[in-house]
Amino acid sequence: EVQLAESGGGFVQPGGSLRLSCAASGFSFSDHYMDWVRQAPGKGLDWVGRTRNKANGYTTEYAAAVKGRYTISRDDSTNSVFLEMNSLKTEDTAVYYCARVRGGSSWQLDNWGQGTLVTVSS
Amino acid sequence: DIQMTQSPSTLSAFVGDSVTITCRASQTITDSLAWYQQRPGKAPKVLMYRSSSLESGVPSRFSGSGSGTEFTLAISGLQPDDFATYYCQQYHSYPVTFGQGTKVEIK
Repeated sequence: EVQLAESGGGFVQPGGSLRLSCAASGFSFSDHYMDWVRQAPGKGLDWVGRTRNKANGYTTEYAAAVKGRYTISRDDSTNSVFLEMNSLKTEDTAVYYCARVRGGSSWQLDNWGQGTLVTVSS
Repeated sequence: DIQMTQSPSTLSAFVGDSVTITCRASQTITDSLAWYQQRPGKAPKVLMYRSSSLESGVPSRFSGSGSGTEFTLAISGLQPDDFATYYCQQYHSYPVTFGQGTKVEIK
């Protein structure tokens, strides 16, 4: 069974930093791209970014709103993906989900974690 | 960026009704579209991919269609579990973008 579990959320002041982790199990983690998606309270889904797999150089993509402030990385030896968030703003307050990208010829997010809440406030 | 616009934003229906949600892309995305269902307090769950392919384990009362810029998600015979918020997502080009969501409510 595919499982994704986020951790590291919490309360942080504007301008601060936080590092989220996502532990994966139940599938060949190294083969898959992984995404981060966030959802502000009462709002819709907002794609944050993606890390590709080793075969594609572990390259990353980001949404414009977080580019330069957020960094996605992964450790295939521990089946983990990370989201390093710097220069946090109040508008970054959201539940952050990690999600597996199906891959192959289809690119839907086929498994999601339960999410971790990040609150940015003074 | 490709903008995804869903309509309606809210939809009220009875159990047993058939409903349709529309998603329009600001430029062509071929069939690079997925649909997700999200119940309150839960993570999203994928329903459809490549516009019309049903994700494994999803009931056949869900169906998707469309290509290019206009897409639909249809639910035939709404069940109590189907009252939720639905999102479309394009993965044709970066950045990946979602529609704003359609909430399906019980009438």
